[in-house]
Amino acid sequence: DVKVTQSSRYLVKRTGEKVFLECVQDMDHENMFWYRQDPGLGLRLIYFSYDVKMKEKGDIPEGYSVSREKKERFSLILESASTNQTSMYLCASSRPGSGSLHFGNGTRLTVT
Amino acid sequence: AQTVTQSQPEMSVQEAETVTLSCTYDTSESDYYLFWYKQPPSRQMILVIRQEAYKQQNATENRFSVNFQKAAKSFSLKISDSQLGDAAMYFCAYRKAGGGSNYKLTFGKGTLLTVNP
Repeated sequence: DVKVTQSSRYLVKRTGEKVFLECVQDMDHENMFWYRQDPGLGLRLIYFSYDVKMKEKGDIPEGYSVSREKKERFSLILESASTNQTSMYLCASSRPGSGSLHFGNGTRLTVT
Repeated sequence: AQTVTQSQPEMSVQEAETVTLSCTYDTSESDYYLFWYKQPPSRQMILVIRQEAYKQQNATENRFSVNFQKAAKSFSLKISDSQLGDAAMYFCAYRKAGGGSNYKLTFGKGTLLTVNP
């Protein structure tokens, strides 16, 4: 089974802090994604990467950046956390073909 | 931009009964993929079923089946013989066919399914 591991399940940070959310997958998938999930809004794509060192903005990239130095790891960075970034963050990966996503368990981030 | 609409924020069903969740999407593409994902309270999102647009036959996975109406841009999920473990948030999703940036999925807002014993 594909395993997508997010480094933290719960995270509490202060406004203005730089925050790193880490995601690792163990199935050599080319594609990796960061989504944000908010009640009533579903999942919204922040960034994705379809190859090492490649990244593409999703629908809501403002206030975020990403890093993919190795194929298995995709990091989401909040340069200066704000309270409106309090949310559930989901990492996912997929391989070529149908592109079905495999998700991690999510990180619930609270910014105070 | 593609949009995915789930018009039912919440649904409920009696155990052992059948329920249908609705999904419509907007696209100008002729080839694409459609998905239903399930997110139980434990929050691990898992794939329920997948449909390729070029296939006319509706996909089925055990008790889960879809009604794919390409012309109507409709993709509903039918759950037969509902079980307590089916209680979850269900998300419909779409992606274009092809590689590169086409691998990103667009999700609907979700339908919360309650299963009553």
